[in-house]
Amino acid sequence: EVQLVQSGAEVRKPGESLKISCEGSGYTFPSYWIGWVRQMPGKGLEWMGVVYPGDSDVKYSPSFQGQVTISADKSIRTAYLQWSSLTASDTAMYYCVRFGDHTAMLPYWGQGTRVTVSS
Amino acid sequence: EIVMTQSPAALSVSPGERVTLSCRASQSVSRYLAWYQQKPGQAPRLLIYGVYTRATGIPARFSGSGSGTEFTLTISSLQSEDFAVYYCQQYDKWPPITFGQGTRLEI
Repeated sequence: EVQLVQSGAEVRKPGESLKISCEGSGYTFPSYWIGWVRQMPGKGLEWMGVVYPGDSDVKYSPSFQGQVTISADKSIRTAYLQWSSLTASDTAMYYCVRFGDHTAMLPYWGQGTRVTVSS
Repeated sequence: EIVMTQSPAALSVSPGERVTLSCRASQSVSRYLAWYQQKPGQAPRLLIYGVYTRATGIPARFSGSGSGTEFTLTISSLQSEDFAVYYCQQYDKWPPITFGQGTRLEI
């Protein structure tokens, strides 16, 4: 069974850095794109980007390019989403997602990590 | 970037009714169109992919249709557990993958 287990909720102040994680299990981790979807409070879904753990290739949405860093460590089957300097507008739920077989639909979702940025 | 537009934004319905949700793409996405359901406090769940194919465990009352730029999700007889927000997603030309803004089904 494919599972994506995300790290717990985080509270940070503006300007602080943060790295959240997503551990994949039940499948060949290096062989599937894994990435992140943002959902701001009361809003819709926004695709942020994905990483291919096999070769660390990363694809970003233009809306998030330069704002976050997506990476993966295949040795520990974990993907990451990190910020160098948070702002209040980063307050959101972040979902880890994995592509399907040979396509970019999203059959697998993590439970979500809530990030709150407040002074 | 392909823009996905869903209509209506919200729909007031009753259990047992047949409901059709619409999704339009700003350019053709071929057959690379998926639908997701999200209930409050939960992660989204894949319902339909490849326009027509139900994901594992999805009841037959959910069906998808369409081609090119116009797509629909139909729920043949609404159950109480179907009240949720529904999103369409294109995965033909990426990055970026893009979602519609969602349609909320409410009683």
